[in-house]
Amino acid sequence: ILNVEQSPQSLHVQEGDSTNFTCSFPSSNFYALHWYRWETAKSPEALFVMTLNGDEKKKGRISATLNTKEGYSYLYIKGSQPEDSATYLCAPNNNAGNMLTFGGGTRLMVKP
Amino acid sequence: DTEVTQTPKHLVMGMTNKKSLKCEQHMGHRAMYWYKQKAKKPPELMFVYSYEKLSINESVPSRFSPECPNSSLLNLHLHALQPEDSALYLCASSQDPDYGYTFGSGTRLTVV
Repeated sequence: ILNVEQSPQSLHVQEGDSTNFTCSFPSSNFYALHWYRWETAKSPEALFVMTLNGDEKKKGRISATLNTKEGYSYLYIKGSQPEDSATYLCAPNNNAGNMLTFGGGTRLMVKP
Repeated sequence: DTEVTQTPKHLVMGMTNKKSLKCEQHMGHRAMYWYKQKAKKPPELMFVYSYEKLSINESVPSRFSPECPNSSLLNLHLHALQPEDSALYLCASSQDPDYGYTFGSGTRLTVV
């Protein structure tokens, strides 16, 4: 079981604000880092799967960066909207196994 | 079909009951997973099936018994559960560790 930490645990922002949060994970035997978005009463939805150090991925207003040497990833949301309110989970996959260990998540609430 | 379907959505069972949770996907994904999620905690891996064979069992008590009858179906048989087993049980599937998981919406289990 990997030690995966996400910060902050929760975040309240105003509509239109840009925000970011962090996922820290062990850098040894790194294979991939997943980000998921989980809205209340819905299924977790895959956002990104990142594998390369220095990788940056973007999906609309959401982007993520990856540093595998120091073991962290940032998720950025530009111009937050109320519909972005959700819990954002990161999950590293080490050793290419079929096993993700989820962090505790960052709960984002965007106020109109 | 790009979904993972879980049934039932809600289940209340007594400690002496036997029940089963079902999960189905028709995306041709080769790996299927059971996760358990307690309130305000991240999802915790229980079992992984790869090519219909159990590949990971995260020291789950024997009162939980997984079964993979074919490549599209994954069951979780429950017997003699305890109230502390009450949780959201999530099923997921994936084609490859390089791709994100597709999650079902979960079964909310209450043990009374």
